[in-house]
Amino acid sequence: NAGVTQTPKFQVLKTGQSMTLQCAQDMNHNSMYWYRQDPGMGLRLIYYSASEGTTDKGEVPNGYNVSRLNKREFSLRLESAAPSQTSVYFCASSDRGGNEQFFGPGTRLTVL
Amino acid sequence: QQQVKQSPQSLIVQKGGISIINCAYENTAFDYFPWYQQFPGKGPALLIAIRPDVSEKKEGRFTISFNKSAKQFSLHIMDSQPGDSATYFCAARRAAGNKLTFGGGTRVLVKP
Repeated sequence: NAGVTQTPKFQVLKTGQSMTLQCAQDMNHNSMYWYRQDPGMGLRLIYYSASEGTTDKGEVPNGYNVSRLNKREFSLRLESAAPSQTSVYFCASSDRGGNEQFFGPGTRLTVL
Repeated sequence: QQQVKQSPQSLIVQKGGISIINCAYENTAFDYFPWYQQFPGKGPALLIAIRPDVSEKKEGRFTISFNKSAKQFSLHIMDSQPGDSATYFCAARRAAGNKLTFGGGTRVLVKP
């Protein structure tokens, strides 16, 4: 079991460029999440998907879009990157009860 | 507005000492309080969790103390070891939901 995998591990973008962060889980979990981690701010929820076919906004959704492609995969898209989106992005998944969220290794994104 | 406030932001403890991290919350609808541990370059991982009907939970050297009336909970790391050096996040989850709200994190350094 690979758990939660994320690609890429690192990315540098210029302001205005777009990109998609990929996430996949092999634990047959229903719920998936995207967070961003910034110093002193903890982890803030961007979007989540309670189950395949549904997505909802979290605490900081502006500037992002998501797609729950199937039960395994949940992608995060930046349509027009801004320096304020420089962060480390984590994907997570949990079963329907949601007691434990399993996190991927993260993507470190820098927007110049 | 941060719904879960965590302190201190960082702490240094000698090997064998006790590390104490505190969290306070405002929303009485929270019903599950986990702590996550994160090593550099890795995603967070669940360390220990508690529900508000219990005042204390211990797992090995890690103990959560919970004060429902004060809306506070804390993590105690007994006999701290250099391998405990990591960032620790408290979190809270609302009843009937999977979303977690995280505190800002505490970077713990255990000196040998």
